[in-house]
Amino acid sequence: GQNIDQPTEMTATEGAIVQINCTYQTSGFNGLFWYQQHAGEAPTFLSYNVLDGLEEKGRFSSFLSRSKGYSYLLLKELQMKDSASYLCAVLDSNYQLIWGAGTKLIIKP
Amino acid sequence: DTAVSQTPKYLVTQMGNDKSIKCEQNLGHDTMYWYKQDSKKFLKIMFSYNNKELIINETVPNRFSPKSPDKAHLNLHINSLELGDSAVYFCASSRGESVAGELFFGEGSRLTVL
Repeated sequence: GQNIDQPTEMTATEGAIVQINCTYQTSGFNGLFWYQQHAGEAPTFLSYNVLDGLEEKGRFSSFLSRSKGYSYLLLKELQMKDSASYLCAVLDSNYQLIWGAGTKLIIKP
Repeated sequence: DTAVSQTPKYLVTQMGNDKSIKCEQNLGHDTMYWYKQDSKKFLKIMFSYNNKELIINETVPNRFSPKSPDKAHLNLHINSLELGDSAVYFCASSRGESVAGELFFGEGSRLTVL
């Protein structure tokens, strides 16, 4: 079966750095995506990795290791507005998006 | 202009009723989707549809049916609503197969079945 694992909840302090991990087992791989979802709102696209390595976009970076079936989302200089759920998703060989259950990130002052 | 819009945003109805949720995208995308997000916040794909084919998640009851009058619209019709249908339903779109992972979501429609 296809499976994506990420921690259910994490807590971090404003101004700090947090890393949200995601491991996956899917039928094929056509890319890994991270989405942010604030409470009561729709998910919004954050990042896309298809090759191994780090993709940086401002305060957010996403890393991929295809051989390990592993990715992480790194958030730097945390702000209160970063409190949200972060969803990891993988595009499988049929171009179907397989979703993780999401990691709820709580930022404390 | 809103890229993906869906209506209504809130829907409260009785068990056994039939209801529809409308979705429109003005992005010129080829593929549209319906997702269900339950109280545990897990996103489940219900349907994906482009001008070539409709892909149905086999776990979706046949009380749910997508209707697409044209490429920019994908409506969701639900017959004989049940308590377990209460959830937030998201419409989304993507440009095409190779970028199918970059989705643009509507604001969601919160359905409550009493």
